[in-house]
Amino acid sequence: AQTVTQSQPEMSVQEAETVTLSCTYDTSESDYYLFWYKQPPSRQMILVIRQEAYKQQNATENRFSVNFQKAAKSFSLKISDSQLGDAAMYFCAPYSGGGADGLTFGKGTHLIIQP
Amino acid sequence: DGGITQSPKYLFRKEGQNVTLSCEQNLNHDAMYWYRQDPGQGLRLIYYSQIVNDFQKGDIAEGYSVSREKKESFPLTVTSAQKNPTAFYLCASSITGWAGDTDTQYFGPGTRLTVL
Repeated sequence: AQTVTQSQPEMSVQEAETVTLSCTYDTSESDYYLFWYKQPPSRQMILVIRQEAYKQQNATENRFSVNFQKAAKSFSLKISDSQLGDAAMYFCAPYSGGGADGLTFGKGTHLIIQP
Repeated sequence: DGGITQSPKYLFRKEGQNVTLSCEQNLNHDAMYWYRQDPGQGLRLIYYSQIVNDFQKGDIAEGYSVSREKKESFPLTVTSAQKNPTAFYLCASSITGWAGDTDTQYFGPGTRLTVL
């Protein structure tokens, strides 16, 4: 079984600034994948970024990037040039595949963007 | 256009009634999932299906049932045995359920179920 800890229930950042959301996880699997999803007020879950655990290179998607530290089981999300539309709940979710566990979600971090 | 649809958006149920939540996808995905979200919490897996006519229990399957008769459809029934069904329900799908390039899950807009 996997566990996920998002230690920051809420974060606030000024528009155009950079913010980092933290995530640590525990898994006994050697091969797995990691996801960040955002959930805006509409409550639709939207994929932000994906990281393969076997890759050393950190994933990036435009203004979003991750800092993946496999030995430390840490998977933080950095949002650069924060925009008002980034305001949402952000969830970290590891996945080992096979469907047996589905995605394991943390409790989320509520990101507030200050104009 | 392709995507995942869930209906209804809001659903009200009286105690003792069974209700069925609809989930349809036209993405030609093999795998489909049902999750439950409670206030201030992440999602928890109820059921998943890797392929038509096959499905498996997730972490919190008690009081729920599913069917997968068609590739594009994965309805969830909330039975009267579910003691605390008020929650937000999300359906997801992926090309396959096996870890790899095809495992990314995409979500529908959700159904809010309230027990009166």
